[in-house]
Amino acid sequence: DSGVTQTPKHLITATGQRVTLRCSPRSGDLSVYWYQQSLDQGLQFLIQYYNGEERAKGNILERFSAQQFPDLHSELNLSSLELGDSALYFCASSPSGATYNEQFFGPGTRLTVL
Amino acid sequence: GQQLNQSPQSMFIQEGEDVSMNCTSSSIFNTWLWYKQDPGEGPVLLIALYKAGELTSNGRLTAQFGITRKDSFLNISASIPSDVGIYFCAGQLTSGTYKYIFGTGTRLKVLA
Repeated sequence: DSGVTQTPKHLITATGQRVTLRCSPRSGDLSVYWYQQSLDQGLQFLIQYYNGEERAKGNILERFSAQQFPDLHSELNLSSLELGDSALYFCASSPSGATYNEQFFGPGTRLTVL
Repeated sequence: GQQLNQSPQSMFIQEGEDVSMNCTSSSIFNTWLWYKQDPGEGPVLLIALYKAGELTSNGRLTAQFGITRKDSFLNISASIPSDVGIYFCAGQLTSGTYKYIFGTGTRLKVLA
């Protein structure tokens, strides 16, 4: 158990809908990262937050947005969903600001868009 | 953008054999991480490397941070069936964002 939690574990929805994925980082970690992993693909970095502020952006679509709250949990919002958005979405956290910056991953949310 | 080339893409090996895989890039990295991912699960951190030339072991796993800081290697000795999975490398480009670039993964299958 990495200490990173994600909910829900599975999500099935229809095209055009909007969903919110939630992540709680490890205790004490300030950075949260979101990744998308399509079937048999590698991890695509979406966005990073550090202590409530956006720190880095990857290949995140305009239909997607995220935020990190004062308690450091993060939410990834996916809107106007398309079939191609079906994927595993992972959250990872790291201490940041320290010497050692390993990323620890949550169990993921499997999103299926029908 | 920056890319990590991970090879081989997949491997079929016999139980008991040693395994080697690597990641290379044209970019310089500050940190290398190696992960293992089982189907439908999140990646699990295996080894972290922080200095060029560093060699670190975790049980049967050994990883090295290349001296050029552009590559890293992972070796698994005496493979067992539970080693099956996808192995990812990840390199941290700058310490400012702590952002990591992930390799495309090496899919390992162990034949008993």
